[in-house]
Formats: sequence, structure tokens, C-alpha cells
Amino acid sequence: DTGVSQDPRHKITKRGQNVTFRCDPISEHNRLYWYRQTLGQGPEFLTYFQNEAQLEKSRLLSDRFSAERPKGSFSTLEIQRTEQGDSAMYLCASSPLEPMEAFFGQGTRLTVV
Amino acid sequence: AQSVTQPDIHITVSEGASLELRCNYSYGATPYLFWYVQSPGQGLQLLLKYFSGDTLVQGIKGFEAEFKRSQSSFNLRKPSVHWSDAAEYFCAVATDSWGKFQFGAGTQVVVTP
Repeated sequence: DTGVSQDPRHKITKRGQNVTFRCDPISEHNRLYWYRQTLGQGPEFLTYFQNEAQLEKSRLLSDRFSAERPKGSFSTLEIQRTEQGDSAMYLCASSPLEPMEAFFGQGTRLTVV
Repeated sequence: AQSVTQPDIHITVSEGASLELRCNYSYGATPYLFWYVQSPGQGLQLLLKYFSGDTLVQGIKGFEAEFKRSQSSFNLRKPSVHWSDAAEYFCAVATDSWGKFQFGAGTQVVVTP
């Protein structure tokens, strides 16, 4: 399967713990996005990379959130000191430069207890 | 303020009947327009997209959508639904070419026998 891969698929953590999610994009895609989706809502943009450069961060991405894409390949999203409000599905997507068309992974469902 | 509206939260349709899902957007210029489908526990799959040109676009799984500039709408249609079309459908817009999407809240489609 050469689609976008996310790991883990599910994560349960205690409030205050740190968690890290990984996204492996489609190999030839330069662009990588992170979105967050809560129940009953559409995905909300968190951040965007073009190759290894993080070009935009949403105001939703507080100081507890950090994302990296070393060498322009896979990406990680870390949440420090998790809060119950962080419980959501975290979606990763990738896209070529042209045409702009985002392919989404299956997501990581985070539950903070 | 920029927005994407899907007026119908939930639609129930009989198998074999036609389906139309509404999407309206509020932007200064014509954005890039997309429809995605999400099955339970899955990521989002692109059904179709509109960038420019012919305002009636064909997608996968027998779906089509029509862009109407005068109404700021991009409605999704299928002439005859199948039970496998039961899912949540998201309209999304991107206002520039690098692919930061804004999603609507989604329409849940239930298909009855």
C-alpha cells in the first residue's frame, strides 16, 4: 500500500502525559498537512510543511504542540502535557506540488483520560 | 469571514434514489473546491475537485458536482445511491494553491433498503 500511513491508529493517554504521532506521506509528495477532527465536525487545519519547512501553523496549535518533518520525509506531531480537550482524531495528508490534491491517512485517534 | 457551509447535517435516502448534498462557501474569489467522503474509522477519500473550466465535474463512485458561481455553491449529486454510499461527506475549499483546506461540518448520509 503506497498511501499515507499514520501510527499509531489509536492512543489512550493520561492527562499530563506527552504523546507523539507519526505520519509517512506518499513518497513523492512535497507537501504534508496535519489536521484535527473532533466528533461531528470537519477537520481543522493545524500545520503545513513543504519539504522540511514548516510554512504555516494554525492558532489552534498551542505551544504544547510541535510538528517536525526532518529531511522532508515522514513527520511527527508531539503534544506535551496532554489535556482532555486534546482528545480528537489527528489526520495527516500529503499532496504533490501539482496538481494540488490532498491524500489523507486513516488518522490517529487520541483519547486523553 | 470566510466559511464553508453544509446546511444538511443528516440525510436519509432510499437505495436506488438520487442524492444531492449542498455546499455553500463564502470567499472573495473562486476557491479550489473539493468533496471528500469518510467512512467510519477511516480517513478521507477524495471524490472530486474543481479548479476551473467546465462547471460540472465528474468524480469517482458515480458522483458529480456542479459549481455555480452566482450561488457560491458546489453541490454533490449521485443519480442512484448504493448501500455502500452510507458515510459522511465533507465539502472543502482551498483559497490558494498550496492546499490549506477549510472543511464544512459534514453531512451524514444514511441509506435505507
